[in-house]
Amino acid sequence: DQQVKQNSPSLSVQEGRISILNCDYTNSMFDYFLWYKKYPAEGPTFLISISSIKDKNEDGRFTVFLNKSAKHLSLHIVPSQPGDSAVYFCAASRFSGTYKYIFGTGTRLKVLA
Amino acid sequence: ETGVTQSPTHLIKTRGQQVTLRCSSQSGHNTVSWYQQALGQGPQFIFQYYREEENGRGNFPPRFSGLQFPNYSSELNVNALELDDSALYLCASSLGPVSYEQYFGPGTRLTVT
Repeated sequence: DQQVKQNSPSLSVQEGRISILNCDYTNSMFDYFLWYKKYPAEGPTFLISISSIKDKNEDGRFTVFLNKSAKHLSLHIVPSQPGDSAVYFCAASRFSGTYKYIFGTGTRLKVLA
Repeated sequence: ETGVTQSPTHLIKTRGQQVTLRCSSQSGHNTVSWYQQALGQGPQFIFQYYREEENGRGNFPPRFSGLQFPNYSSELNVNALELDDSALYLCASSLGPVSYEQYFGPGTRLTVT
């Protein structure tokens, strides 16, 4: 039972263009969502978060959009840079005394110079 | 500020053996969560430790156990190793159980033969 899904295993984007990474979830009780970036041989690096009471959060080149009715969130990277090439994971949690995140399977982003 | 560190980096064990993995949390962080990441999958929540006690557990059998020490460092113990336990084990620290941001270490790659 995959509660958090990233249906695109990989994505290639030209440098300078927009990268859009998508994530779908099934549990409407999730109240916090995170995006992580992972380089080979490193642990995931926290990128950006969004609470279920918001529909958008921006941090520099990164923006996360949340559509609760569709149970869908997306990460936009503008402009994309070669250093953004990594695996991106979305994660979701329902707060129950703590956050126990459920992760998607990841999307490998390749930004072409 | 010191980030999350894990040891060892790699480990090879035989089926049926026991293993202990170690994690030092980021400075000031008192909560540690452990995740298992199988090849091609996203991290799966194993359990969390806060104030030296287990504070939430995922769908893992009791042969997965942990400890947290007064300095907030933590251990993950796995008994009676099975081939399917081969994975990358990640720990993540946070400022507290109600802090939604979790910061990951580089992981320990466990291979069970």
